[in-house]
Amino acid sequence: EAGVTQSPTHLIKTRGQQATLRCSPISGHTSVYWYQQALGLGLQFLLWYDEGEERNRGNFPPRFSGRQFPNYSSELNVNALELEDSALYLCASSRGIQETQYFGPGTRLLVL
Amino acid sequence: QQQVKQSPQSLIVQKGGISIINCAYENTAFDYFPWYQQFPGKGPALLIAIRPDVSEKKEGRFTISFNKSAKQFSLHIMDSQPGDSATYFCAARDKAAGNKLTFGGGTRVLVKP
Repeated sequence: EAGVTQSPTHLIKTRGQQATLRCSPISGHTSVYWYQQALGLGLQFLLWYDEGEERNRGNFPPRFSGRQFPNYSSELNVNALELEDSALYLCASSRGIQETQYFGPGTRLLVL
Repeated sequence: QQQVKQSPQSLIVQKGGISIINCAYENTAFDYFPWYQQFPGKGPALLIAIRPDVSEKKEGRFTISFNKSAKQFSLHIMDSQPGDSATYFCAARDKAAGNKLTFGGGTRVLVKP
């Protein structure tokens, strides 16, 4: 069974630009979660999508947004990039709202 | 607000020794407690998980001990191996708060050969 996949693996942007990160969940999983892992700050919950709907949102500004497509893949968009957005962005998926979340390898975003 | 406190931040153990990582929480609504292992450049991988109605769970060399009254849980890595060198994160889930995982700050474990 293939795991959670994320693309791209690395992304370099400049301040003010927009970044788009993509995630494909494990087959059969309908829930997708996004987390930010910034240096020294641990893993912070960003967004949760289930069945195409945004179900929960972490304490992040509105310029962090996303969506989930009918095939359950997901996209995270970060607008008006700031230097402190530099982090590893992790996507996880679960079978519905069950507890176990499986993580992908992440997208490392660097904002210059 | 750090809802899950993890200690120590780092740990050095000799090969064959026991690694112990502790986590404490405040939110009594947490209903699921997983541990994740993360190697450099990789995403976290689920190691072992426990629910609050169980006091201990063992999988191979990894054991979770859970103390509901003290609101604490810990990970024990028995017979630590150099391949166990990684960062370990405890986490907790509040299903009513939207299924998100709240993570501890992480513990970097180094197993010396």
